[in-house]
Amino acid sequence: DVVMTQSPLSLPVTLGQPASISCRSSQSLVHSDRNTYLNWFQQRPGQSPRRLIYRVSNRDSGVPDRFSGSGSGSDFTLKISRVEAEDVGVYYCMQGTHWPRTFGQGTKVEIK
Amino acid sequence: EVQLVESGGDLVQPGGSLRLSCVASGFTFSDFAMHWVRQAPGKGLEYVSGISTKGDTTHHVNSVKGRFTISRDNFKDTLYLQMGSLRPEDTALYYCARESHCRGTSCYLFDLWGQGTLVTVSS
Repeated sequence: DVVMTQSPLSLPVTLGQPASISCRSSQSLVHSDRNTYLNWFQQRPGQSPRRLIYRVSNRDSGVPDRFSGSGSGSDFTLKISRVEAEDVGVYYCMQGTHWPRTFGQGTKVEIK
Repeated sequence: EVQLVESGGDLVQPGGSLRLSCVASGFTFSDFAMHWVRQAPGKGLEYVSGISTKGDTTHHVNSVKGRFTISRDNFKDTLYLQMGSLRPEDTALYYCARESHCRGTSCYLFDLWGQGTLVTVSS
C-alpha cells in the first residue's frame, strides 16, 4: 500500500501568517492516464472531512483562494497564505492513484 | 439534495457482527465507486474498503480482510459494510464517500462524504 507521510503533525500558527503542510508518498502518484490524484481535505472539529484541493492544485468550489496546492510525483504541499480563525482543524492528504486509497496521518492546525 | 447518509452503528461486544448502510440521494449512485473510511476517537482517517460501480471489484485494507465485506445495491442506492469478528480497535466513526471520474474541472474523487455512523466495540 502507498504510505502518505505528512509533516508537521502539529502546526501552531499566528493569525494572518502563512502555513505550509508537506505530504510525501512512498510511490509516485502519477497515474497511467498521466494525471496525479492527490487530494487535500480539511476536517473541522466535530465535522466530516471536506475536500479542499483535488488533483494536486485544483481548488474546490467555495474554497478561499488563500488555500493552494502544489507538487508533483511524490512530493506535495498545501499552503495557507494567511491563516484565519476558521482554518483551525486537521488537514489530510489522500492519494487516489493506487488501490487501496490511503491518507496521511493528518496535520493539526491551531492558532498560537 | 446530493447527500450520503450512514446508519447502523451501535455498541457491540467483541466478536460480534454489525451491518452498516449508506444511502445515497441526489445523484446517480450506480455511476460511482464507493468507499468506507473510518476514524477512531481522536485519531486520523483510515481507508477501510472500496467497491466498483457494478460491485464486481472490491478492496479491503489488510486489518479488516476476512472480517469485513463491502457490497452495494444499485436498485436501492445503498452501500453496505458487513462487519464480523469485531475487535475493540474497530471502534470508530465510519464514513462513506463516493468516487467517479476526475477530469478537467469535474472531479468526483472523495468529493462527497456522509456524516458518519459510530461503531463501538466493547464488553
